[in-house]
Amino acid sequence: AQSVSQHNHHVILSEAASLELGCNYSYGGTVNLFWYVQYPGQHLQLLLKYFSGDPLVKGIKGFEAEFIKSKFSFNLRKPSVQWSDTAEYFCAVKRRGGADGLTFGKGTHLIIQP
Amino acid sequence: SQTIHQWPATLVQPVGSPLSLECTVEGTSNPNLYWYRQAAGRGLQLLFYSVGIGQISSEVPQNLSASRPQDRQFILSSKKLLLSDSGFYLCAWSATQNTEAFFGQGTRLTVV
Repeated sequence: AQSVSQHNHHVILSEAASLELGCNYSYGGTVNLFWYVQYPGQHLQLLLKYFSGDPLVKGIKGFEAEFIKSKFSFNLRKPSVQWSDTAEYFCAVKRRGGADGLTFGKGTHLIIQP
Repeated sequence: SQTIHQWPATLVQPVGSPLSLECTVEGTSNPNLYWYRQAAGRGLQLLFYSVGIGQISSEVPQNLSASRPQDRQFILSSKKLLLSDSGFYLCAWSATQNTEAFFGQGTRLTVV
């Protein structure tokens, strides 16, 4: 079975700082990769996804992530964060071809201080 | 466009009472449907998934069950709730096995 590890459970940054949230997965086969965001009081939303092709994917609100297959990693980045980026961020993997759902990491609670 | 509806938003139930949470999807046909439980600091745990009417797969043993009586309806049930069933339950759908999932607003269940 696949598993996902998010390295930081709580991150506090100041506005305009750069962000990188780590995500590593464990699975021997082919996977699709996702980052979701949950803003306070809102439902889970898709931030970006990787299926194949260019390992650097861009998502909404200036976020991007890079898939490094050799490291089983899919880290999320943003060059300059804003106060509105305060949220919970979840990395998820989906084994390709399986009917079961996404496997999520435990999440990273990001707080941006103005 | 597709939408997912989940209700109720909050629910307080006594121990031993039954449970029924409903989820419906609009604007798509034959979706894959999922029930997740979200616990603080533990991410989302997949409870059940369904690839079609009447087809339910369980990921973890528990006091809960799921049913899919119609193509776009997914129900989470329990005959007798336990205190440990308290949590935040999320319904989700995806168009295919490999694509992203779209989540409902969730139900906060408190068993007292």
